[in-house]
Amino acid sequence: DAKTTQPPSMDCAEGRAANLPCNHSTISGNEYVYWYRQIHSQGPQYIIHGLKNNETNEMASLIITEDRKSSTLILPHATLRDTAVYYCIVRVGGGGADGLTFGKGTHLIIQP
Amino acid sequence: TAGITQAPTSQILAAGRSMTLRCTQDMRHNAMYWYRQDLGLGLRLIHYSNTAGTTGKGEVPDGYSVSRANTDDFPLTLASAVPSQTSVYFCASSDPIRTEAFFGQGTRLTVV
Repeated sequence: DAKTTQPPSMDCAEGRAANLPCNHSTISGNEYVYWYRQIHSQGPQYIIHGLKNNETNEMASLIITEDRKSSTLILPHATLRDTAVYYCIVRVGGGGADGLTFGKGTHLIIQP
Repeated sequence: TAGITQAPTSQILAAGRSMTLRCTQDMRHNAMYWYRQDLGLGLRLIHYSNTAGTTGKGEVPDGYSVSRANTDDFPLTLASAVPSQTSVYFCASSDPIRTEAFFGQGTRLTVV
């Protein structure tokens, strides 16, 4: 069973905020929400992660609902280079790739 | 720093031949991983190693072997390649203290 559900694709205008949703209704108390992205023909790249508080770094913001059953990744000012497949992953704490189960993600297309 | 280096970038291999995909990291990470990525199937874990001298099987280990003689290197060997092993292979590494996994740029392998 998939642990996360994401829309298969989304469009966003360049310069606007891109909001990528993720449902994880069966998340456990010790599981974090991680976001990675994969730009065409490149290896996946870590973006951000969180447990229950909202998080922000130089790349993005992560908003987690109070019940932790869903989250939203926000790219505040999307550029053409943000066109990629974005993966929402839940796993227990620690950054190792052993527990990274990649679903099909959301293909985000930034429109000029 | 170079991060993770994979070689070769791409390869065409005759069925039945053997091949070793190389992966080297310079971050002194304890854990390393091999994934394959196929269209429509996403990234799937082949083998992993939590520390030098130890290895483990992932989701799709059949037909592949790995070794971890030291911290930096984690080669993946196909003893007798078959067409179903045509894929893009990604190596990754992580440190238990860090929160992210780092991926290489991938090796595109075609078995004919």
